[in-house]
Amino acid sequence: DIQMTQSPSSLSASVGDRVTITCQASQDISNYLNWYQQKPGKAPKLLIYDASNLETGVPSRFSGSGSGTDFTFTISSLQPEDIATYYCQQYDNLYTFGQGTKLEIK
Amino acid sequence: QVQLVQSGAEVKKPGASVKVSCKVSGYTLTELSMHWVRQAPGKGLEWMGGFDPEDGETIYAQKFQGRVTMTEDTSTDTAYMELSSLRSEDTAVYYCATGASGSYTYFDIWGQGTMVTVSS
Repeated sequence: DIQMTQSPSSLSASVGDRVTITCQASQDISNYLNWYQQKPGKAPKLLIYDASNLETGVPSRFSGSGSGTDFTFTISSLQPEDIATYYCQQYDNLYTFGQGTKLEIK
Repeated sequence: QVQLVQSGAEVKKPGASVKVSCKVSGYTLTELSMHWVRQAPGKGLEWMGGFDPEDGETIYAQKFQGRVTMTEDTSTDTAYMELSSLRSEDTAVYYCATGASGSYTYFDIWGQGTMVTVSS
């Protein structure tokens, strides 16, 4: 099974900050990686697919990059509504989610 | 626009089974690759299984093999997930999820979630 390791597990940042989350796969998954945002009590929401493609309707402050085993998710300027938990997910071999990164406002 | 509406919360005793439904509207079930993801309280997302359109078969995470069955009723466009031999660790919110336009590489459409509580 492919393991996905996200870091950090939690993050505190100020409004306007640039925020970066990393996700590392246990083996090469090419660009077969997605990023989701989940707010408390809600279903996850797709933000980025195929490592770097922005889902329709998602603000451009969100971006993703990487290929192979190392991936990065970035919020260029943190907004209060971005407070949530973020998950990476691989689909190269079945599907696996990272353990999540909880983002809080400082 | 695809919408997924799930059945209501369930409370089950250890050893019992639970069957959660997911009604599709806006598309027909045969056009979609339906998957199930669960989330224990305060924990992360866990993929359980789903339909693989490349093989035409339902695939399951190894962790749930032998205990989970995912079925579809195309006459009502409803997907089902049945989990048997329930234990307290199965207490979680269960989501159905799919990709619009039949995509199976990402999940951009989710049900509202069904809380399943396993307690004696």
